[in-house]
Amino acid sequence: DGGITQSPKYLFRKEGQNVTLSCEQNLNHDAMYWYRQDPGQGLRLIYYSQIVNDFQKGDIAEGYSVSREKKESFPLTVTSAQKNPTAFYLCASSALGQGEANTEAFFGQGTRLTVV
Amino acid sequence: AQSVSQHNHHVILSEAASLELGCNYSYGGTVNLFWYVQYPGQHLQLLLKYFSGDPLVKGIKGFEAEFIKSKFSFNLRKPSVQWSDTAEYFCAVNPRAGGSYIPTFGRGTSLIVHP
Repeated sequence: DGGITQSPKYLFRKEGQNVTLSCEQNLNHDAMYWYRQDPGQGLRLIYYSQIVNDFQKGDIAEGYSVSREKKESFPLTVTSAQKNPTAFYLCASSALGQGEANTEAFFGQGTRLTVV
Repeated sequence: AQSVSQHNHHVILSEAASLELGCNYSYGGTVNLFWYVQYPGQHLQLLLKYFSGDPLVKGIKGFEAEFIKSKFSFNLRKPSVQWSDTAEYFCAVNPRAGGSYIPTFGRGTSLIVHP
């Protein structure tokens, strides 16, 4: 089945530690995204990538880092510099194009990160 | 940059009531419009989408949305809700051309339907 796989589903981190969230897609999508979901704030864009070896900061990139070494993979690292990392993290992907070829985003199941 | 505004953050209805969730966007060019739904414990999934043509689009589970270009709106409707419609609903927009195609989401509307 085609789709997006995020792991782990739940993650606990001690303050001061970096953690990496995994996101893999087999949809052959060029674009991948990381969003953070907090109650009442919707989805806020952290980073996005539209091509391998290139990525751009979103609205709330501070304290996060990403890489895009393969088309299928877009891991997110939550660093110790992120002041309030406890949240639900969503990875998404979409095809790129213009007009009707620009399709909707497909989402993974999410990772719930808790700092303890 | 585009932005999306959802007017209702929390909606509580009884079964069989009608539903309308407001969504307005700001962007100067042509956009694609989406409504996503997140059922409790499940991942976000597409409810319906508008690219072009008939501004009234129909989605899954009896939902529909109407694109009104002059009002920059894409409101979601359902004539009669069910308990199983309890979920969080997100409106989203991405530019059609000349932009970066990044989906921008509204803050979401939490819908609770009482049986």
